[in-house]
Amino acid sequence: EAGVTQFPSHSVIEKGQTVTLRCDPISGHDNLYWYRRVMGKEIKFLLHFVKESKQDESGMPNNRFLAERTGGTYSTLKVQPAELEDSGVYFCASSQGFPGDRTMETQYFGPGTRLLVL
Amino acid sequence: ILNVEQSPQSLHVQEGDSTNFTCSFPSSNFYALHWYRWETAKSPEALFVMTLNGDEKKKGRISATLNTKEGYSYLYIKGSQPEDSATYLCAFDSGGGADGLTFGKGTHLIIQP
Repeated sequence: EAGVTQFPSHSVIEKGQTVTLRCDPISGHDNLYWYRRVMGKEIKFLLHFVKESKQDESGMPNNRFLAERTGGTYSTLKVQPAELEDSGVYFCASSQGFPGDRTMETQYFGPGTRLLVL
Repeated sequence: ILNVEQSPQSLHVQEGDSTNFTCSFPSSNFYALHWYRWETAKSPEALFVMTLNGDEKKKGRISATLNTKEGYSYLYIKGSQPEDSATYLCAFDSGGGADGLTFGKGTHLIIQP
């Protein structure tokens, strides 16, 4: 079974440009999460989709970030316009979710997109 | 703001030795604790999901314990091998999937041959 995939693996853009990151979750996983790790810091939660609905976007830094999950399959995260402080590794994770069985709620992570804003 | 602390920040261990490190987390609003193993440029690999106080889980030479009353978890590696070199991340789960995970900064483990 394929794991979580992310595209691109790396992106180098200039300040003010737009970048769109894509995540394909494990097939059948309703839950999709975006996280970000800024260098030297911990991985931080950005937002959570259940199917196509945003469940929680409390971690989104500001309105320059827009996430979508049309049709409840893959998701995109757009940064527009990008700023220097947006540099970091953007991870996507998915989980199947079994209410009442916490041990089945493992979040499976993709390899991340390394974004560098110059 | 949830605070998840991992110690030590980094650790050098001789091949063949056993080692352990700590994750501390809030003892309130506990749902689960996740451990991941992460090699740079790869996907963080899920090791354990721990839910009950006193839980002990094992996967090969790696095991973990959980104390939810005092808010800590230990990860143990027995007979370290070079392939164990990685960053080990713990993540606090207060919402059972409804919220995101709150991660510690990780323990960077280097196994020296």
